[in-house]
Amino acid sequence: GAGVSQTPSNKVTEKGKYVELRCDPISGHTALYWYRQSLGQGPEFLIYFQGTGAADDSGLPNDRFFAVRPEGSVSTLKIQRTERGDSAVYLCASRAGSNTEAFFGQGTRLTVV
Amino acid sequence: AQSVTQPDIHITVSEGASLELRCNYSYGATPYLFWYVQSPGQGLQLLLKYFSGDTLVQGIKGFEAEFKRSQSSFNLRKPSVHWSDAAEYFCAVEGPGGGNKLTFGTGTQLKVEL
Repeated sequence: GAGVSQTPSNKVTEKGKYVELRCDPISGHTALYWYRQSLGQGPEFLIYFQGTGAADDSGLPNDRFFAVRPEGSVSTLKIQRTERGDSAVYLCASRAGSNTEAFFGQGTRLTVV
Repeated sequence: AQSVTQPDIHITVSEGASLELRCNYSYGATPYLFWYVQSPGQGLQLLLKYFSGDTLVQGIKGFEAEFKRSQSSFNLRKPSVHWSDAAEYFCAVEGPGGGNKLTFGTGTQLKVEL
């Protein structure tokens, strides 16, 4: 595609529910990143994929958060037993490789009520 | 751990005035440095980046930034601000060698008065 696509753009869920957020990176980009941006803050790193494998998941806040990228393209961020504190904009980015620009999607705004 | 400080949370300038947004970083070596802009409801857009070489880098929309190793700074400048520049600006760093996560500052919200 022309850019990084994230779906849905908005998601409202009840506390305790499970949610999946999808990221479709730019075609051919091997690196994919997930970030979380809370209100009034800069994006915070969650996880980085190189190909199909998670090269760095040090930013995942706890074991309720999990992400996959089974075929090295589309990625899904999964949040179990959502809490109100999970409310934020979840951003996805992809890049072709080192020393290249990371392109960001427009994000998924998650609201847990 | 690397960190990024943007000391100005909000800045207001008049259209046509010059602009400087401050960014300081803490890192053991010279990182890769970036400035991103985020407009309401929009994704992050890269303005410019520094990997190595010339310490004054030019970006899109008339922005430039200067890397100063001695001050661990990477301030963003524009000689004449346009009303459409109103947005939030984020400075970010990445460990040298690339392929790693970006660490962002908390952002500076720019308001432009007509």
